[in-house]
Amino acid sequence: QVQLVQSGAEVKKPGASVKVSCKASGYTFTSYGISWVRQAPGQGLEWMGWISAYNGNTNYAQKLQGRVTMTTDTSTSTAYMELRSLRSDDTAVYYCAITAADHPLDWFDPWGQGTLVTVSS
Amino acid sequence: SYELTQPLSVSVALGQTARITCGGNNIGSKNVHWYQQKPGQAPVLVIYRDSNRPSGIPERFSGSNSGNTATLTISRAQAGDEADYYCQVWDSSILFGGGTKLTVL
Repeated sequence: QVQLVQSGAEVKKPGASVKVSCKASGYTFTSYGISWVRQAPGQGLEWMGWISAYNGNTNYAQKLQGRVTMTTDTSTSTAYMELRSLRSDDTAVYYCAITAADHPLDWFDPWGQGTLVTVSS
Repeated sequence: SYELTQPLSVSVALGQTARITCGGNNIGSKNVHWYQQKPGQAPVLVIYRDSNRPSGIPERFSGSNSGNTATLTISRAQAGDEADYYCQVWDSSILFGGGTKLTVL
């Protein structure tokens, strides 16, 4: 079945970087895109950006431009999200989700299980 | 910037119909998607493109979108439907509503 499995929880200090992985299985990885969404404790969903696994095109949320980089490794069907210059308000559960390959407009289905990133000194 | 407005909470009696709204300027011209999120779990898509149900989602879940309001309707509400529900649109960026907590009494 279609599945996304994310890397484990991370604890980082302010100013550090984190790289979360999202390994896909059960479908042709390059036929779709991956969006990343985060959720701070007790808060709602926030879209971070999208990458096409077909051609590597990206579209990042304006708020995170310059701090986030999304990449894919088609040889291992894995997507990555790196967030730099971490702050305490980056503490959240980070999700990857499958979406359209050619644009970031569509729905997300399914989602990975989530990765908790805690930023604390 | 475009904003989506959802009620913080909605309550429904067991077996009755729950309606969760998502308000936005001329939202009827956009595609709206809905997600269900239970505590400690990842969101699950329940409606895409206003009114389409993914496979595996019960027929009790339906959606509509017109004017300034999109609506997720849950018929014959069950205890297992208790969750947070989020609407999503595209407007130069992916936007989510603030989420609605559904309580089944």
